[in-house]
Amino acid sequence: LAKTTQPISMDSYEGQEVNITCSHNNIATNDYITWYQQFPSQGPRFIIQGYKTKVTNEVASLFIPADRKSSTLSLPRVSLSDTAVYYCLVGDPISGNTPLVFGKGTRLSVIA
Amino acid sequence: EAGVTQFPSHSVIEKGQTVTLRCDPISGHDNLYWYRRVMGKEIKFLLHFVKESKQDESGMPNNRFLAERTGGTYSTLKVQPAELEDSGVYFCASSQAETWNRYEQYFGPGTRLTVT
Repeated sequence: LAKTTQPISMDSYEGQEVNITCSHNNIATNDYITWYQQFPSQGPRFIIQGYKTKVTNEVASLFIPADRKSSTLSLPRVSLSDTAVYYCLVGDPISGNTPLVFGKGTRLSVIA
Repeated sequence: EAGVTQFPSHSVIEKGQTVTLRCDPISGHDNLYWYRRVMGKEIKFLLHFVKESKQDESGMPNNRFLAERTGGTYSTLKVQPAELEDSGVYFCASSQAETWNRYEQYFGPGTRLTVT
């Protein structure tokens, strides 16, 4: 399984764009990059998933460079309610049978 | 549409007792997963059901843990006998049958288990 490395914590002011970068140097050909968000006392929540280039949905954007050794989750104009832990996960959701592997995540604190 | 529900939200038991956790997945989701986070550690995978069959139970820590999913609907996770190190938050998740969506899992709020 590809190991992921992401910042332990980040602080941001409300209204700013937040970028969280995840390193996954040994990502395999069939691996996808998946991001989850977790609020205190709740289960993780799926945010976005991608394989290459850029993926955007109503919550976030995911940027993946050509070498796929890293990825960046971008949250536009964060609000206080975006304070949460964000997890970057790498694995093969299609042909493999590997479960989701959560790391320590990045604790994002949004301040007014 | 109702999300994944778990019962109870919190359970406090003494070492040596038995506890059964329940998970109701989203209706129509064939895949059901159990995870847990023990104090200070990461969320760890326990096992995966596809309908009523155990697809992967590689994360089950030992034979004190028994998971069932009779009829392919709700699932139970029994810990018998409970030990102090079993304390933590147990999450259940479900996903649709299509493999493409296998990593898009919907998590429940978790059951906090405290073993004293």
